[in-house]
Amino acid sequence: DAGITQSPRYKITETGRQVTLMCHQTWSHSYMFWYRQDLGHGLRLIYYSAAADITDKGEVPDGYVVSRSKTENFPLTLESATRSQTSVYFCASSEPPGTDTQYFGPGTRLTVL
Amino acid sequence: AQSVSQHNHHVILSEAASLELGCNYSYGGTVNLFWYVQYPGQHLQLLLKYFSGDPLVKGIKGFEAEFIKSKFSFNLRKPSVQWSDTAEYFCAVNPNNAGNMLTFGGGTRLMVKP
Repeated sequence: DAGITQSPRYKITETGRQVTLMCHQTWSHSYMFWYRQDLGHGLRLIYYSAAADITDKGEVPDGYVVSRSKTENFPLTLESATRSQTSVYFCASSEPPGTDTQYFGPGTRLTVL
Repeated sequence: AQSVSQHNHHVILSEAASLELGCNYSYGGTVNLFWYVQYPGQHLQLLLKYFSGDPLVKGIKGFEAEFIKSKFSFNLRKPSVQWSDTAEYFCAVNPNNAGNMLTFGGGTRLMVKP
């Protein structure tokens, strides 16, 4: 089924563990984005990518790592999870120039104990 | 710091009531403006957007928004809400000199009572 998918949908982990959240899109959109959603803060951009092998920091990149070896995948890694990274994470994609409509995935709810 | 403000965090309305959700931003230059909606259990989807032209923009499901440049505002309106409009609404701004970054407001949770 075409669209943008995220996995896992729910994840519980412990402080200090490495966690990778997956994002896959079937539209061949050039741009992909990672946001976190926290109560009262709306969505805040963590990282984005304009194309394969091109990534850039957003508003809140600390503690996160991204890669984009293929156009359709944009994994987000928490190298050493902290409780402050408990959040809902959304992946999105869009056509160039990247400022047009963004299409969002269903989200991953991450809890760090 | 530049930001996007949504003044109403929670709104409760009865069906058929009129809706207006406020959105103000602090960017001084040209901007692209969006309203996204997140229905319970679903992902965010675009309601409407403004890039240029007529400042009154019509979106899906009877929603509209008006861009008032002098007030740095992009308020969302609907003349008569339905129970199915219960959702969280997010205003988002892309300053034209900010590359590809969208800045979102904190969101407004709307509950429509049947």
